[in-house]
Amino acid sequence: NAGVTQTPKFRILKIGQSMTLQCTQDMNHNYMYWYRQDPGMGLKLIYYSVGAGITDKGEVPNGYNVSRSTTEDFPLRLELAAPSQTSVYFCAARGEGGNNQPQHFGDGTRLSIL
Amino acid sequence: GDSVTQMEGPVTLSEEAFLTINCTYTATGYPSLFWYVQYPGEGLQLLLKATKADDKGSNKGFEATYRKETTSFHLEKGSVQVSDSAVYFCALSAFGGDKLTFGTGTQLKVEL
Repeated sequence: NAGVTQTPKFRILKIGQSMTLQCTQDMNHNYMYWYRQDPGMGLKLIYYSVGAGITDKGEVPNGYNVSRSTTEDFPLRLELAAPSQTSVYFCAARGEGGNNQPQHFGDGTRLSIL
Repeated sequence: GDSVTQMEGPVTLSEEAFLTINCTYTATGYPSLFWYVQYPGEGLQLLLKATKADDKGSNKGFEATYRKETTSFHLEKGSVQVSDSAVYFCALSAFGGDKLTFGTGTQLKVEL
């Protein structure tokens, strides 16, 4: 069972470069999420989606964009990379059934911006 | 808004010691409560959950009871192992909500 798959696992970017972090899930879940995890800071929600064609901002959306053209895929785009975006990024998916359903996480993308 | 407060780590214990990691929350209504575990280099995994007051979630020897009167969801284990070394996150999902609110995480180190 693949669950939630994130690529790449590691990436180093230069300031001002752009990139897309890929996230795909094979559970047919409607809800998908992007988080960033900074040391000692827990997880902060960047963007989320409740279904294909619908996205919404989380706590820290500035500097990021998302799209959700299919149920399976939820890519996160960094347009102009900045050192403050150095972090570990996690994608998650959740099924229907309300707020008592857990989120399933990918293994993360470790991004360094130099 | 909703929030989760966890005890700061790292927590260092000897193998077979008793573990408690405190978690308190602030939320309107009746949230669902979760504990997630993150092993080094991996993503978060659900450890246990509770969805209403007085529910007890349990898994792999870990337990937590949803206490509405004290707005708490403390994680306990009677005898920890070296393999339990990880970061533990308490989280809530508001009733009718789509999102999780996480605590800052508590690192647990278990030594022989």
